[in-house]
Amino acid sequence: ELKVEQNPLFLSMQEGKNYTIYCNYSTTSDRLYWYRQDPGKSLESLFVLLSNGAVKQEGRLMASLDTKARLSTLHITAAVHDLSATYFCAVDNWDSGGSNYKLTFGKGTLLTVNP
Amino acid sequence: KAGVTQTPRYLIKTRGQQVTLSCSPISGHRSVSWYQQTPGQGLQFLFEYFSETQRNKGNFPGRFSGRQFSNSRSEMNVSTLELGDSALYLCASSLALAGDTQYFGPGTRLTVL
Repeated sequence: ELKVEQNPLFLSMQEGKNYTIYCNYSTTSDRLYWYRQDPGKSLESLFVLLSNGAVKQEGRLMASLDTKARLSTLHITAAVHDLSATYFCAVDNWDSGGSNYKLTFGKGTLLTVNP
Repeated sequence: KAGVTQTPRYLIKTRGQQVTLSCSPISGHRSVSWYQQTPGQGLQFLFEYFSETQRNKGNFPGRFSGRQFSNSRSEMNVSTLELGDSALYLCASSLALAGDTQYFGPGTRLTVL
C-alpha cells in the first residue's frame, strides 16, 4: 500500500529564513499535490505536479517533483508570518488492478513562522 | 463561482446514533469525494462518487456509506456511531473522476459523545 511521509512534521522558523519540507512516497505515482490548511479551515490547493522534474512557484513557495526518487519538496523562501499553516502533500494512488483510486495524504507539516 | 459547501458545520451525536452529512460541489463538478480527518490518523479517503455511482472506495467499514444525486450533490451517512468517528469530515469536488484536482469544502465537525 502506498505510504506518504512528510518531514519534518513540525517546523518553527523565523521570518526571513528559508526552509524545505520533504514529501516521500513509497510506490510509483505520476501526480503529486500540495495543500495548505489554516487552523479550523479547509484545505486549499497550492500546486499540482504532473511529471518528473516539474517545478512550480507561487510567491514565496516553490514545489518540485522527482518521480524517480519518489520525492517532492516544498521550498519556502524568506518566510513571513502569513505562511503559518499546515502543509500537506498528497499522491495519486491506484490499486494494483488499476480499478480503485484514492488520494493518499501525508501527515502534514505544521509550519509556524515567528516574527 | 461558489465553492464547495457542506452542511451542517457542526454536529454532536451520541454513540449508536446515525448521522447524515451533506455536500454541494462547485457548479459543473461531477465528482465528489469524502475524507475523514483526525489528529491521529490524518486525512483518510472514504469514497468518491461520480454520476451518482460510487467509483472508488477507501478502507472504512460498511457503517460509512454515501450517495450522489443527479445534481451532483452528495450525502454521507454514518450508522451506529462510535466514539472514534469523532472527526472533521471533508468533502471535495472535481471536474472529472479520479486524479483531477480536488477542491475542498469547509468540513463538518462531528463529535460523538
